[in-house]
Amino acid sequence: DTAVSQTPKYLVTQMGNDKSIKCEQNLGHDTMYWYKQDSKKFLKIMFSYNNKELIINETVPNRFSPKSPDKAHLNLHINSLELGDSAVYFCASSKGLAGTQGTQYFGPGTRLLVL
Amino acid sequence: KNEVEQSPQNLTAQEGEFITINCSYSVGISALHWLQQHPGGGIVSLFMLSSGKKKHGRLIATINIQEKHSSLHITASHPRDSAVYICAAGESGSRLTFGEGTQLTVNP
Repeated sequence: DTAVSQTPKYLVTQMGNDKSIKCEQNLGHDTMYWYKQDSKKFLKIMFSYNNKELIINETVPNRFSPKSPDKAHLNLHINSLELGDSAVYFCASSKGLAGTQGTQYFGPGTRLLVL
Repeated sequence: KNEVEQSPQNLTAQEGEFITINCSYSVGISALHWLQQHPGGGIVSLFMLSSGKKKHGRLIATINIQEKHSSLHITASHPRDSAVYICAAGESGSRLTFGEGTQLTVNP
């Protein structure tokens, strides 16, 4: 059974479109994250939810909107896609907060290409 | 200057060599994470530590809180260890701040 799953794995779309990436974890974890990995392979946190509550919202354009319908799911919706949004987006989860009980379990990543 | 700095950025070794990757951080942390990103892109957590030393198989992670420094060691390296190794500072709350990664290539 996959612990953290993301769909889709690949996403190719045109500028200006709206798209969503879904993430689910079956580990019973309380905290979920979205990370962006740029073309230089640098990872950066975008959002973090703990028990469905938003606890980290980094400096991310408001075209990006996370939604957590329950503790096991954290989806990412992106409006008006731009070329610079092309990246790999990783979902992750941890039992507790990243600083203290936060061994991270990563999804396989979603490779987004905006044309 | 990044809050988390890794060295070296690239490392090439021969099979069997002892490898060390270093991580220095400038932020206050609750825990320090070491991650491995496979050539296929998947990321796995290797260690989370807040003091001392942890060992898992041929991998050893150490941290010196006073010096704000951590090291990842690989003993008897093998080509399958070839990957990007990423250090991340776990600050209070839920924020991870990542280093830029170290690309390790182990040649047979």
